[in-house]
Amino acid sequence: DQQVKQNSPSLSVQEGRISILNCDYTNSMFDYFLWYKKYPAEGPTFLISISSIKDKNEDGRFTVFLNKSAKHLSLHIVPSQPGDSAVYFCAAKGFSGTYKYIFGTGTRLKVLA
Amino acid sequence: GAGVSQSPSNKVTEKGKDVELRCDPISGHTALYWYRQSLGQGLEFLIYFQGNSAPDKSGLPSDRFSAERTGGSVSTLTIQRTQQEDSAVYLCASSPKGVLRNEKLFFGSGTQLSVL
Repeated sequence: DQQVKQNSPSLSVQEGRISILNCDYTNSMFDYFLWYKKYPAEGPTFLISISSIKDKNEDGRFTVFLNKSAKHLSLHIVPSQPGDSAVYFCAAKGFSGTYKYIFGTGTRLKVLA
Repeated sequence: GAGVSQSPSNKVTEKGKDVELRCDPISGHTALYWYRQSLGQGLEFLIYFQGNSAPDKSGLPSDRFSAERTGGSVSTLTIQRTQQEDSAVYLCASSPKGVLRNEKLFFGSGTQLSVL
C-alpha cells in the first residue's frame, strides 16, 4: 500500500513562476515530513522539512505547507529557476508498523527558461 | 568522511551471481538506511540499522537480500542469486541519531545495479 503519494509524475513551469508540488499521505501517525531533490546520477539531497505541530515552514525560495486534516503537504518554489529542474520526493516519518522514512514516487519538475 | 560514500557506483552482473554493495556513512552517524529505486519508481525502504539494536529488516524483498553493519559504521548489502528484477539504484543514507528523532537523512550517490 502506498502510504505516501505524489500523484503528478511530472510538472513543467516557466522560469520565474511558482512551482507547486503536492504530496498526500494516508497514515495519521506520520509526524515529520521532508522534501528531497534528486538530480540524475546523484543521491537525493535534503530541501526542507516540517513537523506536524506546524502548518508552514519557509526557507528562502522554498516553502512547505502541511494540512493535517487533509493529510496533504505541498512544496512551493518561488521564483522557479532552471536549476530547480530535478525529481522531487516527499517523505514522511512516524509509526507505521515500525518507524522508518517512507518516500513518495517523485515528481519530475522541469523549469523552462 | 565528508559525506555518505557508496561503492561501486556501477555494477553489472549476470543473473544468478551474488553481489555486494558497500556503504560508508558519515562519521558519527548512528543510523544507517538502505533504499532502492527501480526505474520509474519511488524510493523503496529495505533495511535500517540503529546503533547496536537489531536492524529493521521489514523492507527486504526476499531472503536473497541481506545486510550487515560492522562496528556500527560500514554496511554491506548482499544480494544472492541476482535476478533481473533486482536491477535498480541502491541508495544508502545515514542520520545522526535515528528515526526516534526528527532529523534529515543524508544520502550517498547510490550504486546502479544492472542484472543481465
